[in-house]
Amino acid sequence: DADVTQTPRNRITKTGKRIMLECSQTKGHDRMYWYRQDPGLGLRLIYYSFDVKDINKGEISDGYSVSRQAQAKFSLSLESAIPNQTALYFCATSHWTGANYGYTFGSGTRLTVV
Amino acid sequence: DQQVKQNSPSLSVQEGRISILNCDYTNSMFDYFLWYKKYPAEGPTFLISISSIKDKNEDGRFTVFLNKSAKHLSLHIVPSQPGDSAVYFCAASGQGGSEKLVFGKGTKLTVNP
Repeated sequence: DADVTQTPRNRITKTGKRIMLECSQTKGHDRMYWYRQDPGLGLRLIYYSFDVKDINKGEISDGYSVSRQAQAKFSLSLESAIPNQTALYFCATSHWTGANYGYTFGSGTRLTVV
Repeated sequence: DQQVKQNSPSLSVQEGRISILNCDYTNSMFDYFLWYKKYPAEGPTFLISISSIKDKNEDGRFTVFLNKSAKHLSLHIVPSQPGDSAVYFCAASGQGGSEKLVFGKGTKLTVNP
């Protein structure tokens, strides 16, 4: 099983619908992140959480919300999806050890809003 | 304001030659830098990192160079292989790497056989 699992892998939804993307991890990491990737724009941070009681906005949080249900689970919601939220979404985890800091990414969710 | 810049969207090299991917940053508080590699339909994977106390870090065919005065880092791949064809993201962090990462827009490397 993958260390970081994202569901669904692909989703097509209609404008105005609420949709939730889920992320779970088995690495035991305390930090979790949601990014979106758009062509030519790289990876942009939506929300991040350094522990279960900590939620922070990233650079593009408008139109999104998150929930950290447990250390291992971090979900991203689009309350009312719009077409410009069509993108590839990645969940990532990390654990600050004082060295070799890095993220483990999930395989991504391709979301299309029509 | 883009704090991590990868100004070359794409790079094409011949198999066996050197690939050099460049990255510039503007935030002087960044002190830990990483490179990630991404294949289509997969999440990015960690490749190599460097702390600001060093100017070079090597791992097999991959070497990262850091020029703090110029706020510039580069990734060298020698020799390049077709399997290296992917999108490469530069990322930076502050506080010794304890802060969240800021990513560049990526450079698509194509290694031709």
